[in-house]
Amino acid sequence: NAGVTQTPKFQVLKTGQSMTLQCAQDMNHEYMSWYRQDPGMGLRLIHYSVGAGITDQGEVPNGYNVSRSTTEDFPLRLLSAAPSQTSVYFCASSYGAGGPDEQYFGPGTRLTVT
Amino acid sequence: AQKVTQAQTEISVVEKEDVTLDCVYETRDTTYYLFWYKQPPSGELVFLIRRNSFDEQNEISGRYSWNFQKSTSSFNFTITASQVVDSAVYFCALSEASRDDKIIFGKGTRLHILP
Repeated sequence: NAGVTQTPKFQVLKTGQSMTLQCAQDMNHEYMSWYRQDPGMGLRLIHYSVGAGITDQGEVPNGYNVSRSTTEDFPLRLLSAAPSQTSVYFCASSYGAGGPDEQYFGPGTRLTVT
Repeated sequence: AQKVTQAQTEISVVEKEDVTLDCVYETRDTTYYLFWYKQPPSGELVFLIRRNSFDEQNEISGRYSWNFQKSTSSFNFTITASQVVDSAVYFCALSEASRDDKIIFGKGTRLHILP
């Protein structure tokens, strides 16, 4: 079991570039989510998905897109990177049935936008 | 409104002291879940506990204990006889059944255990 994997670990983008942060889990979890972590702001929910084909917005969705075509994968797309999107991004998954369960977090992606 | 407040931004205590991390939440749901996570300096997020709104029983796990009080909307976390390895950022989180169970985190409390 690899758990939750995220790629890349580090990324530097120029303003205006687009990219996709990859997230995959092999635990057959229904619930997946993306968070960003900024100093003093804790973890803020960007988007989440309660199952394949279903996604919804979290607290800070602007500038990000997601899709969930399979149970395993939940990529996060930055459409046009801005310096304000410099952050550490965490993907998480959980079983999800009968109420939220323990979330398993990936190792994070550190993104810098210049 | 779904909200979690961790008023203590940073706490420093000397090793072996007891320390309590506060968490106050806001919700209109009757069914909700509360969580604590730990983020050590290495950066990974570690699950500590999950509690549902129908279970107000306090929980103890080794040196860790949690006090859930619905009357004050609080879910506080106490570390007894703290150790240097307890140094980390601790997050409290809330999930509401009416909001797809999405999990919202507080801003975290950075705990320094001084040797």
